[in-house]
Amino acid sequence: QKEVEQNSGPLSVPEGAIASLNCTYSDRGSQSFFWYRQYSGKSPELIMFIYSNGDKEDGRFTAQLNKASQYVSLLIRDSQPSDSATYLCAVNPGYALNFGKGTSLLVTP
Amino acid sequence: GAVVSQHPSWVICKSGTSVKIECRSLDFQATTMFWYRQFPKQSLMLMATSNEGSKATYEQGVEKDKFLINHASLTLSTLTVTSAHPEDSSFYICSARDAPGGPYNEQFFGPGTRLTVL
Repeated sequence: QKEVEQNSGPLSVPEGAIASLNCTYSDRGSQSFFWYRQYSGKSPELIMFIYSNGDKEDGRFTAQLNKASQYVSLLIRDSQPSDSATYLCAVNPGYALNFGKGTSLLVTP
Repeated sequence: GAVVSQHPSWVICKSGTSVKIECRSLDFQATTMFWYRQFPKQSLMLMATSNEGSKATYEQGVEKDKFLINHASLTLSTLTVTSAHPEDSSFYICSARDAPGGPYNEQFFGPGTRLTVL
């Protein structure tokens, strides 16, 4: 079983702070990595994807990938209450996506 | 991004009946569609992968005779839950990909269908 592990949280951060979400995966053959945001009762929406080691920035979001450590993270700068949601890490070892259980993020005003 | 729709958005049915869920790619041709199921506070679990014109590939533990998948066109896939039981109550989500093969192609998710079996 190919595992994608995330801390379920909840992770609580004050408004304006940096939220750091982490994910580890077991399949070393994984080639692409995705972060999705899911609001309660809704389907996931893609925030970012990353393929290469290092950092990738898009607005307030930064994805970080370390394939040697099998670790991918998502940083959210200047967190807003509207960022409160469950964040799903997804890993693609070649064809389909394997999802983690998600980390619940709560941004408090 | 590309748009994927699902119908119905929610359905309530009696135990023993069958329910059909449609997944449509509205502005692109989907060579591959995926069906996921999500129980409360759980992750998305891939049920099956559907390629247009061929039989679906089911994940281990998913009963292909209970969850019938048809992908008859490049814009439509259907999931039929046959003889539904209360334990089938879940959030069913489809996704579609607009390019064949490879790990770098984004999947576009539908809005999901909430199934409740009484």
